[in-house]
Amino acid sequence: KAGVTQTPRYLIKTRGQQVTLSCSPISGHRSVSWYQQTPGQGLQFLFEYFSETQRNKGNFPGRFSGRQFSNSRSEMNVSTLELGDSALYLCASSSLPGDNLYEQYFGPGTRLTVT
Amino acid sequence: AQSVTQPDIHITVSEGASLELRCNYSYGATPYLFWYVQSPGQGLQLLLKYFSGDTLVQGIKGFEAEFKRSQSSFNLRKPSVHWSDAAEYFCAGSDLSGGGADGLTFGKGTHLIIQP
Repeated sequence: KAGVTQTPRYLIKTRGQQVTLSCSPISGHRSVSWYQQTPGQGLQFLFEYFSETQRNKGNFPGRFSGRQFSNSRSEMNVSTLELGDSALYLCASSSLPGDNLYEQYFGPGTRLTVT
Repeated sequence: AQSVTQPDIHITVSEGASLELRCNYSYGATPYLFWYVQSPGQGLQLLLKYFSGDTLVQGIKGFEAEFKRSQSSFNLRKPSVHWSDAAEYFCAGSDLSGGGADGLTFGKGTHLIIQP
């Protein structure tokens, strides 16, 4: 079974631009979560989607948004990029409700650099 | 507030020696607990998990962890480390009340260095 895939793997953007990152979960997984990883703040939860609905969002500004499609693929968007948005963005998927929902499988991440 | 703490930022161990990485949690109730490993430039790989039951859990790559409620700890151990174990290790917890919607709360990570 293929793992979580994220595209693109690397991205360089300029301040003020916007960016869209994509995540394809493991086949059959319907929950997708996004995390931001930086050297200073570590791994921080961005938001979680389940069956196309955002169920929760971490403590991030409204510039960070996302969505999930009917095939469970998810995208996250960051508008008006700031230098501090430079980070590794990780996507994780989980299987159906029950204990497995808490067990997350991570993709390789998208390395975003804002200049 | 829920939190996961890894007291050690860096740990250096000789190849073949035993390893213990510390993790403490602070939750209102017993959370689900996990250990992940991250190699440079890579995503996170799940090593093991604790949901309930036996407090000693076995994971992949020869790792194990012991849940101790009285100490609010979930330390990761390995009897003999290999050079390939050099990586960043993250302890994480999940609040059961969120139904999986709250994401994982991660510790800051422990960087493991293996000496030859």
